[in-house]
Amino acid sequence: QKEVEQNSGPLSVPEGAIASLNCTYSDRGSQSFFWYRQYSGKSPELIMSIYSNGDKEDGRFTAQLNKASQYVSLLIRDSQPSDSATYLCAPVQGAQKLVFGQGTRLTINP
Amino acid sequence: DAGITQSPRHKVTETGTPVTLRCHQTENHRYMYWYRQDPGHGLRLIHYSYGVKDTDKGEVSDGYSVSRSKTEDFLLTLESATSSQTSVYFCAISAPGLSYEQYFGPGTRLTVT
Repeated sequence: QKEVEQNSGPLSVPEGAIASLNCTYSDRGSQSFFWYRQYSGKSPELIMSIYSNGDKEDGRFTAQLNKASQYVSLLIRDSQPSDSATYLCAPVQGAQKLVFGQGTRLTINP
Repeated sequence: DAGITQSPRHKVTETGTPVTLRCHQTENHRYMYWYRQDPGHGLRLIHYSYGVKDTDKGEVSDGYSVSRSKTEDFLLTLESATSSQTSVYFCAISAPGLSYEQYFGPGTRLTVT
């Protein structure tokens, strides 16, 4: 079993709709979770962090965490073509190391 | 890119030659990391540092060494480059006060022929 699993996609969403990205992780000790966005040919960019169970909202982005289910998700409301990118889920493991999923490629269709 | 630079940005080298990649930060962050990113494998940790002269291995450290003699610089060395080390290499930094959020440099694209 992979440590961090994400649907590789591509996930295709119409402009203006809600994009839902999911991630499961295997390490029950993980307490912090990050979502990164990576445009093709660019470096990963941190867009959301979440540390407690529940929802955390920041603009059009909402991160959701359920530690009991070992599940974290990212919702993007009012999706824009500029949201087209690969989204990486990354739980923190011991010694402040991140373990990355392979990412979900998201395409927003105008 | 959060005050992080990487050099060179692109490099082509031959199998068997040594290669050193440099990561430089202006944020004075304690932690620094080297990752490689390959299709089908995602981002994988090579080595990391938790202070000057304090380093440790990541999940794909074979064939790589690192050094950190100053807070701002973290060097990654491929002792004898192989074609399997063709990849994009990213440096990242973090600090305890930021809940260990990591911020990435622009990357180095390395091709070993």
